[in-house]
Amino acid sequence: GDSVTQMEGPVTLSEEAFLTINCTYTATGYPSLFWYVQYPGEGLQLLLKATKADDKGSNKGFEATYRKETTSFHLEKGSVQVSDSAVYFCALSDHRGATNKLIFGTGTLLAVQP
Amino acid sequence: DVKVTQSSRYLVKRTGEKVFLECVQDMDHENMFWYRQDPGLGLRLIYFSYDVKMKEKGDIPEGYSVSREKKERFSLILESASTNQTSMYLCASSTPPGRPSSGANVLTFGAGSRLTVL
Repeated sequence: GDSVTQMEGPVTLSEEAFLTINCTYTATGYPSLFWYVQYPGEGLQLLLKATKADDKGSNKGFEATYRKETTSFHLEKGSVQVSDSAVYFCALSDHRGATNKLIFGTGTLLAVQP
Repeated sequence: DVKVTQSSRYLVKRTGEKVFLECVQDMDHENMFWYRQDPGLGLRLIYFSYDVKMKEKGDIPEGYSVSREKKERFSLILESASTNQTSMYLCASSTPPGRPSSGANVLTFGAGSRLTVL
């Protein structure tokens, strides 16, 4: 079945460092891809998404490009801040059926130090 | 501005108790979901519902049931709580796929309910 694999954490960076969190997927259809973020004590919020190959999602300085040839959707940010410390989840959703249930990766904890 | 509300942030229950987790959304969404979140396992889908009174099992439905009597409310029920059900439970809602909306296919989550079963 469909699945998402993302790099294990925790990832610890200094402020203003470059961030990459790897995410690869397995899917039989043509899924939409998402990054969600969970700040301490909160639920998940959508960070960005891409719905087809070569789409780039971006938000708050984060970017991810839907790469069908490598089945990847890596999250990047050029300069992280302490406020970016959170757990990041990669997810996919296929378009089959009446619902859009998401399949999530295991999450990557990012800790940014001042 | 709260759109998905989970009634309890923290609960402590005893083994064998019946537990109700309530979720309400005010966005008129057709789809609602219950996930559990555990360290190292990410989010796993327990049940989902695509309409009132309609429900489908997710990946880990054992030990759980759900109720959707009204469009805005989706309840998760643990008939007889066990210690291995200690977890964070997350409710979410969305519009169905294929809607002509930028918000379609995007899940909105509640803040979560942390359940401890002793």
